[in-house]
Amino acid sequence: SSELTQDPAVSVALGQTVRITCQGDSLRRYYASWYQQKPGQAPVLVVYGKNYRPSEIPNRFSGSFSGNTASLTITGAQAEDEADYFCHSRDTIGNPSFATGTRVTVL
Amino acid sequence: QVQLQQWGAGLLKPSETLSLTCAVSGGSFSGYYWSWIRQRPGKGLEWIGEINDSGRPKYNPSLKSRATISEDTSKSQFSLKLTSVTAADTAIYYCAREAANSSSSAFDYWGQGTLVTVSS
Repeated sequence: SSELTQDPAVSVALGQTVRITCQGDSLRRYYASWYQQKPGQAPVLVVYGKNYRPSEIPNRFSGSFSGNTASLTITGAQAEDEADYFCHSRDTIGNPSFATGTRVTVL
Repeated sequence: QVQLQQWGAGLLKPSETLSLTCAVSGGSFSGYYWSWIRQRPGKGLEWIGEINDSGRPKYNPSLKSRATISEDTSKSQFSLKLTSVTAADTAIYYCAREAANSSSSAFDYWGQGTLVTVSS
């Protein structure tokens, strides 16, 4: 399957750790990248490749992978981390593909 | 700092052609893939297509040949045309730069987005 799937929503207490997962067969071949999107804004790349972050992204964001599952972990979630998070990879014919997204609520 | 600035008509009637352009500044145009991505209201992200670092376009098969992506390297711009639009094409359209290799890709810079509404 070329589809990527994510849980629709997750909540985390302020300062705690949350893991968002993305599953798909293509993740056995391609690394995932992760995007944060806040209301009314364009997506922002937060993690890509093996576990790289753009320089402006805080180090509380990290990525990992195992088999057909990629994960984004926010360690010590802050109020400003409340957003939608999308994973992206390439599908089995090499086209970019996005998962449906996970809404993260910080309590 | 790389910036992508996009523009185009925001209100179309059914059957018209959507036309958007994205200008790249602050960085090299060559050596990257350039994509168009859209987001329908309240929905996730959908890749429309890309033009690669050799100028070859590639499209999402779901668009059934309605999309055309072209580039003007002399102006560091790339464009999207989507023909025969319907209400289902109502979305925010983003241009984005993709850094890709054989094992990964990432959209590291995005345009500000253009809301395109299709309504009679």
